Order: sequence, then C-alpha cells, then structure tokens
Amino acid sequence: KQEVTQIPAALSVPEGENLVLNCSFTDSAIYNLQWFRQDPGKGLTSLLLIQSSQREQTSGRLNASLDKSSGRSTLYIAASQPGDSATYLCAVNGGSYIPTFGRGTSLIVHP
Amino acid sequence: KAGVTQTPRYLIKTRGQQVTLSCSPISGHRSVSWYQQTPGQGLQFLFEYFSETQRNKGNFPGRFSGRQFSNSRSEMNVSTLELGDSALYLCASRTSAEGAAFFGQGTRLTVV
Repeated sequence: KQEVTQIPAALSVPEGENLVLNCSFTDSAIYNLQWFRQDPGKGLTSLLLIQSSQREQTSGRLNASLDKSSGRSTLYIAASQPGDSATYLCAVNGGSYIPTFGRGTSLIVHP
Repeated sequence: KAGVTQTPRYLIKTRGQQVTLSCSPISGHRSVSWYQQTPGQGLQFLFEYFSETQRNKGNFPGRFSGRQFSNSRSEMNVSTLELGDSALYLCASRTSAEGAAFFGQGTRLTVV
C-alpha cells in the first residue's frame, strides 16, 4: 500500500526566502506525482504534474523534482511571498490509479 | 475553459437525512473522482467514475454512493447522515487515469 509523507508539517518564514517542501513515497512504481496548493476551506489548485519519466517541472517561481528510485519529490518555491501562504499537498498516482495524498505542509509567509 | 464545478457550496443537514452533491467536470474529462476531507483524516478517496462506470472505490460504507451520467457529470449521495459525515467533499476530473487532476471548490457539508 502506497504511503505518502510530507515534511515539514508546518513552516513559517519571512517574505523573500527560498523554500523546499518535501514529499516521500514508499512504492516507486508510479505513473506521476502532482503538487497542489489548498487555501483554507477551498478546493485544491494544481501546481505541477511530473510524469514518472521526467526529473523536474517548472512553473514561474515553482520547481518540482522527482527521484523515483529514492521515492522522493521536492517542491522549490523561490522568493516566497505572503500570497504563497497555503497548504501544499503532493499526490502520487500509482498502479491502482487512485492518487494517494500526503497530509500536506502548511506554509505561512509573513511580510 | 470552465473548471470543475461543484454544487451546492454549502449544506446543512440533520442526522438521518440524505444528501446529493453534484460535480460537473472540465469539458472533455471523462474521469470524475470524489474525496472526503476532514481535519483528522485528511483527504480520503471515495470513488472514481470513468465513462459512467465506477472504476475504483475507497473504504467507505455503502451509505456513500455515486453515479456518472453520459455527459460525465457526476453525483454523490450519502444516505442516513451521521455527525461524522461533516466534511469538505471534493471532486476532481481528469482526462485519463494518468492525467493531471483538477479539483472543484468543494461542498462543505455540516450534519447537525
């Protein structure tokens, strides 16, 4: 059974810092991994999707990497802003086609 | 292109009642999945429909059911509501099993 762990569970940083959020998974037989952000009480917004054959994906200030063999993905946020404050979740899509979600990293960026 | 639309956004129901939630996927997406999100359990998978057929099901009691129509719109039904069913219910659509998932804004269900 796939298990997904996100570290840290919470993070509070001053504006402008570069951040790394971690996602680890136990079964490396995956199709892809997707990063989301969730604002309080809202749905999930897709940030980046990395296919199993890819090593990284970039969108603006966000960069996600994937190391399937070690079961790890990182989300790098450059020059963080208060608007980046949200919970960040990773979801691993494996053989069952049922995405397994981590519990998320709650990020606060203060001015 | 319109995103995933969930209705209603908020619901208050009494214990023992039943409720139906609706999800309209992104045009062209044939896969619709439903999730329950609570502070204690996080995001839990309920079921997935693809081309009107239930393809996967999570570990929820039979009180939770769903269906998908020919236009890919999906409904989720919960019968005999319990206080513990209070949660944010999210649906997501994808073009295929390997595609990116796009979520709606959710339906906040409160059972009193």
